[in-house]
Amino acid sequence: NAGVTQTPKFQVLKTGQSMTLQCAQDMNHEYMSWYRQDPGMGLRLIHYSVGAGITDQGEVPNGYNVSRSTTEDFPLRLLSAAPSQTSVYFCASSYGTGAFEAFFGQGTRLTVV
Amino acid sequence: DAKTTQPTSMDCAEGRAANLPCNHSTISGNEYVYWYRQIHSQGPQYIIHGLKNNETNEMASLIITEDRKSSTLILPHATLRDTAVYYCIVREDQAGTALIFGKGTTLSVSS
Repeated sequence: NAGVTQTPKFQVLKTGQSMTLQCAQDMNHEYMSWYRQDPGMGLRLIHYSVGAGITDQGEVPNGYNVSRSTTEDFPLRLLSAAPSQTSVYFCASSYGTGAFEAFFGQGTRLTVV
Repeated sequence: DAKTTQPTSMDCAEGRAANLPCNHSTISGNEYVYWYRQIHSQGPQYIIHGLKNNETNEMASLIITEDRKSSTLILPHATLRDTAVYYCIVREDQAGTALIFGKGTTLSVSS
């Protein structure tokens, strides 16, 4: 049981490049979400999903796309990277309903130059 | 916006109890109080949650006031490894509701 796995752990992109941050969980959780955390700040919600085929926007969705084709995977796509997207990205999963704890990955540290 | 208010920072001596307050005066009847912590930019870690009764687990205790407008997270014997940012979050018990993080309280435990 690996929990929530994020890849890569570190990434450097050039402005305008695109890439996909991967997130996988093996706990059969319905609910998955992506956050970004800028230096000295709390986490901000980018997108979330309540189950396969269902996604919705969070607080800061611009510049990011998501899809949820399986229960296990929830990739985050940066369409055209900008320096303002330099951040640490965290993926989380939990059961969809009820008062359950969320499990977080260890983060992807992204730098856009 | 986060629905909670927490002090920016707190200090605690190693071995003493750390009491972290949280104000959530607009909490509604179906919202739970959750506590998470984040150690040195790692992924946040769940600590405890409660609705209206006090709760205790192996990590901490959660005391919720009778009117539910505030709560206190208690780490009974703080260690240096408890130095972290602690987030108090209120969240509905409904599908699709997200954890909305504020800036949390930075707890510094010193020897």
